[in-house]
Amino acid sequence: SAVISQKPSRDICQRGTSLTIQCQVDSQVTMMFWYRQQPGQSLTLIATANQGSEATYESGFVIDKFPISRPNLTFSTLTVSNMSPEDSSIYLCSATPGTGGLQETQYFGPGTRLLVL
Amino acid sequence: AQSVAQPEDQVNVAEGNPLTVKCTYSVSGNPYLFWYVQYPNRGLQFLLKYITGDNLVKGSYGFEAEFNKSQTSFHLKKPSALVSDSALYFCAVRVRQGGKLIFGQGTELSVKP
Repeated sequence: SAVISQKPSRDICQRGTSLTIQCQVDSQVTMMFWYRQQPGQSLTLIATANQGSEATYESGFVIDKFPISRPNLTFSTLTVSNMSPEDSSIYLCSATPGTGGLQETQYFGPGTRLLVL
Repeated sequence: AQSVAQPEDQVNVAEGNPLTVKCTYSVSGNPYLFWYVQYPNRGLQFLLKYITGDNLVKGSYGFEAEFNKSQTSFHLKKPSALVSDSALYFCAVRVRQGGKLIFGQGTELSVKP
C-alpha cells in the first residue's frame, strides 16, 4: 500500500493568486495522479505525473493553469494558477505503488480543500 | 469509450439490513474494477477490487462485491449495514492505456438506526 499526505489540507485564496499543493508518498512510486472533485461531484482526473517526464493532461486541463512538478519518485506538486471562484474544489493526489501495474491499487491522499473568493 | 455508471444518487438502508450499491461498467477487454469510500471531509479509501478469478470479492469493513460479466455489473454489498457505513461510495474502472481510474458519479449511502 501507499500512505499519501498533502499540504495544505485547506486554504482560502483570493482570485488571481496561485496556490501550490504538495503531495508526499511514503514509498517510491512510478505513477502519480492529480484529481479534482468539485462540490457534490465525482472525481475528474487533471493529469498524470510520471517522474522524469512531462505531465500528461486530460482534456480540458492545461499546463499553464495547472503546472505540475515531479522531481522524484515520492513527491509531486500541483499549482492552481490565476485562481477564480470556479477553481473552488477538493484537489486529491493519488499514487499507484511500485511500477504502477494495472492490477495495483491506486491510493489517495486526504485532499486539499480550496476556496477561492 | 470506457465508463462507469452508478444509477442511484442515494441509497437509504436501516441499520442491520443488507445493503447494495450498484455499479455498471463499459470497457473493452477484461475490466479492472474498484470500489472506494469517502467519509465527510476525508480522502478516498480503498475498499476492494476485481482483477480476475472469483466473481465474489471480499474487502475492508465487511464489504464485498460481485462481478457479473454478462450484466457488466460490479455491485457493492454488505450483509448487515452499520450507521458508520454512511458515506459516499465510488465505483471506478482502470483504463488500460495510462492506468488512470475513471470514476462513477458516486452514491450517497445513508444508514439509519
